[in-house]
Amino acid sequence: GIQVEQSPPDLILQEGANSTLRCNFSDSVNNLQWFHQNPWGQLINLFYIPSGTKQNGRLSATTVATERYSLLYISSSQTTDSGVYFCAVEGGTSYDKVIFGPGTSLSVIP
Amino acid sequence: NAGVTQTPKFQVLKTGQSMTLQCAQDMNHEYMSWYRQDPGMGLRLIHYSVGAGITDQGEVPNGYNVSRSTTEDFPLRLLSAAPSQTSVYFCASSYGQYYNEQFFGPGTRLTVL
Repeated sequence: GIQVEQSPPDLILQEGANSTLRCNFSDSVNNLQWFHQNPWGQLINLFYIPSGTKQNGRLSATTVATERYSLLYISSSQTTDSGVYFCAVEGGTSYDKVIFGPGTSLSVIP
Repeated sequence: NAGVTQTPKFQVLKTGQSMTLQCAQDMNHEYMSWYRQDPGMGLRLIHYSVGAGITDQGEVPNGYNVSRSTTEDFPLRLLSAAPSQTSVYFCASSYGQYYNEQFFGPGTRLTVL
């Protein structure tokens, strides 16, 4: 099935700093989504982005499907951005199966 | 809309006991799925369903059963709980037969002693 990698695994930022999170996948994808899991365990949709670029406030995402990666940009980070960021993909031989990456754990310190 | 709801929020079982985790959605979504999340790991797909009456296995299906008799409900059954099934369980749903934007329930934290 499709393999999903995320980098970096852990990230510590000073409040106000910018960051880029990366998601690599091993096969062509039909769909890709970014989630934020907050410290209380809730999973929050950030972007549904199988290709192209989207922006939502301080967050933006770009997926280059032909090169099999997606990037999540966080600008002017805030303490409320802390948590784990997951990308999830569906595609390749994992048709209809949504596979999650291992996540990037982000801590934003004041 | 309530979105995706899960019950119970917390559960403690003894080894060998059985139980059903409930999941319901009121968005008329066709696609529903169950994941487990273990400490330090991402979410792993247990079972999924592309519509009422249709279910299939995910990455880690052993020890779990599912059924989908209605569009709204997708219960997950543990027939004989084992300590290795201690985890947080998430249910998700999305519109349409094919994967679209997924919405997650709040999770059920299960401990098997």
